[in-house]
Amino acid sequence: DAGVIQSPRHEVTEMGQEVTLRCKPISGHNSLFWYRQTMMRGLELLIYFNNNVPIDDSGMPEDRFSAKMPNASFSTLKIQPSEPRDSAVYFCASSLASIGGNQPQHFGDGTRLSIL
Amino acid sequence: RKEVEQDPGPFNVPEGATVAFNCTYSNSASQSFFWYRQDCRKEPKLLMSVYSSGNEDGRFTAQLNRASQYISLLIRDSKLSDSATYLCVVNRGGTYKYIFGTGTRLKVLA
Repeated sequence: DAGVIQSPRHEVTEMGQEVTLRCKPISGHNSLFWYRQTMMRGLELLIYFNNNVPIDDSGMPEDRFSAKMPNASFSTLKIQPSEPRDSAVYFCASSLASIGGNQPQHFGDGTRLSIL
Repeated sequence: RKEVEQDPGPFNVPEGATVAFNCTYSNSASQSFFWYRQDCRKEPKLLMSVYSSGNEDGRFTAQLNRASQYISLLIRDSKLSDSATYLCVVNRGGTYKYIFGTGTRLKVLA
């Protein structure tokens, strides 16, 4: 079975450029999560969707970050303009979630982002 | 106080040893609990869910103590390949949100 698929695996770009990260969740999962991980701050939840609707974006660091989920099989996280402090590993995860929430999340391989 | 707390370690143990990690959570409405494993520069991977009655998967045993609000992970007969960071994850009741601990580093020594 295909897991969560993220692209690109690595991205190196210059400060000020737009960065778009992509995620395809596991088929049938109804919740999608974007995380950022750094050595200093650990794993941070940025935003999550349920049934393609953003539920909580309180973790999005600032207006330069935006996320969309136009359909059940695709989501994007965009950073515009990018800054060096955005360098991190960005993970996408999906789950079959309910309010009872007893299904675990499954993570993609992550996108390693370096902003020069 | 963080909603989910773990001892960051590192725990350095010899091969064959038994090691246990605890994780405390503050929200009494939490309903689902998991242990994940994360290797360096890799994604977190589900190790096991934690059930109310406790559960075992091979060398790994997970326990839940709702009264004291903690979960535990016991690893028996540690292998070199068990070296990783172990993340405690709690799902808040009434939401879809999963709260991650900062992880406990384990290093199994030859």
